[in-house]
Amino acid sequence: DSGVTQTPKHLITATGQRVTLRCSPRSGDLSVYWYQQSLDQGLQFLIHYYNGEERAKGNILERFSAQQFPDLHSELNLSSLELGDSALYFCASSADPAGNTIYFGEGSWLTVV
Amino acid sequence: SQELEQSPQSLIVQEGKNLTINCTSSKTLYGLYWYKQKYGEGLIFLMMLQKGGEEKSHEKITAKLDEKKQQSSLHITASQPSHAGIYLCGADRGGYQKVTFGTGTKLQVIP
Repeated sequence: DSGVTQTPKHLITATGQRVTLRCSPRSGDLSVYWYQQSLDQGLQFLIHYYNGEERAKGNILERFSAQQFPDLHSELNLSSLELGDSALYFCASSADPAGNTIYFGEGSWLTVV
Repeated sequence: SQELEQSPQSLIVQEGKNLTINCTSSKTLYGLYWYKQKYGEGLIFLMMLQKGGEEKSHEKITAKLDEKKQQSSLHITASQPSHAGIYLCGADRGGYQKVTFGTGTKLQVIP
């Protein structure tokens, strides 16, 4: 158990819909990272938050947004879903902004039908 | 093309055999992470290498970083079924851009 909690674990939704994935970082960790893992592209970095502020953006679509709340949990919002958005979405946390040690959650499986 | 290329993409070995997984970067490496993903589970951090020539070991897994070649290798000695999973290397790109990952190497260990 990494201490990073992601919900839901599995989600099936229709195209055009919107979903929210939630991540609770390890206790005390200020950094939260979101990743998307798809079959053909491996693990892609989406976005990094540190103590409520966005620190870095990766390959995150405009239809996707994220935020980190004062209690440090984070949400990844995915809207206007397309079939290609089906993937495993990982959240990871780290105690420091440099992320010298990153702990991953178990992921949220999203299936868009 | 991927910034990080892992080879082989998949590997099937008999229990007790040694194996090596390679990770090659097309860009300068500031640091390299190795992770293991067990089927249906999350990513498990194995180790991080930061200096050229650095070598770290964790149980029967050893990783080395060759900064000049922009390459890292992960070596498993006397493999066991518990080593099965997907191994991912991740490159620290410096600053806050953080980590980019390879596509992974799927390892199966046959008893």
